[in-house]
Amino acid sequence: DTGVSQNPRHKITKRGQNVTFRCDPISEHNRLYWYRQTLGQGPEFLTYFQNEAQLEKSRLLSDRFSAERPKGSFSTLEIQRTEQGDSAMYLCASSPARTGGAEQYFGPGTRLTVT
Amino acid sequence: SQKIEQNSEALNIQEGKTATLTCNYTNYSPAYLQWYRQDPGRGPVFLLLIRENEKEKRKERLKVTFDTTLKQSLFHITASQPADSATYLCALDMRGNTPLVFGKGTRLSVIA
Repeated sequence: DTGVSQNPRHKITKRGQNVTFRCDPISEHNRLYWYRQTLGQGPEFLTYFQNEAQLEKSRLLSDRFSAERPKGSFSTLEIQRTEQGDSAMYLCASSPARTGGAEQYFGPGTRLTVT
Repeated sequence: SQKIEQNSEALNIQEGKTATLTCNYTNYSPAYLQWYRQDPGRGPVFLLLIRENEKEKRKERLKVTFDTTLKQSLFHITASQPADSATYLCALDMRGNTPLVFGKGTRLSVIA
């Protein structure tokens, strides 16, 4: 399978714990995006990378959230001191350079439940 | 403020009919508009992209129109099938390589 993969698929954690998610994009895609989606809503942008550079972060992104893409390949999203409001589906997407960010290819998501 | 509306939260249609979904936006001037399909528990799947200078685009049973004067896109599925049942999301790209902004989606149910 050459699509976008995300791990883990599900994560249950207690409030206050730190969690880290991983995204492996399609190999030739230089752009990588993180989104958050709650029930009944569309995906909400969090941050994106072009190669290893983090080019934009949403104003809604708390300083408890951090993302990295150290070698321009896979990316990690860490949430520190999780809160119940962080419960959501976290989606990763990648897109090829030729589209300038259009035609994003999404992974299956990581569903986070904070208890 | 910027706003995207997909005017039906849910749409039920009979198999074989044409489904028409609407996406309206305000205070945007998108370079292009995209439609995605999302099944429960899965990530969105890209379907079609239409640019600001295009009026219509087709792909198999799918057709998208884009009216930048009305600030509206229509998404049509002809000869709908129960397998077309899913949530359909529209997404706008703002100029300058900024990230996509998604609507809330319309949940389509095609009834056999």
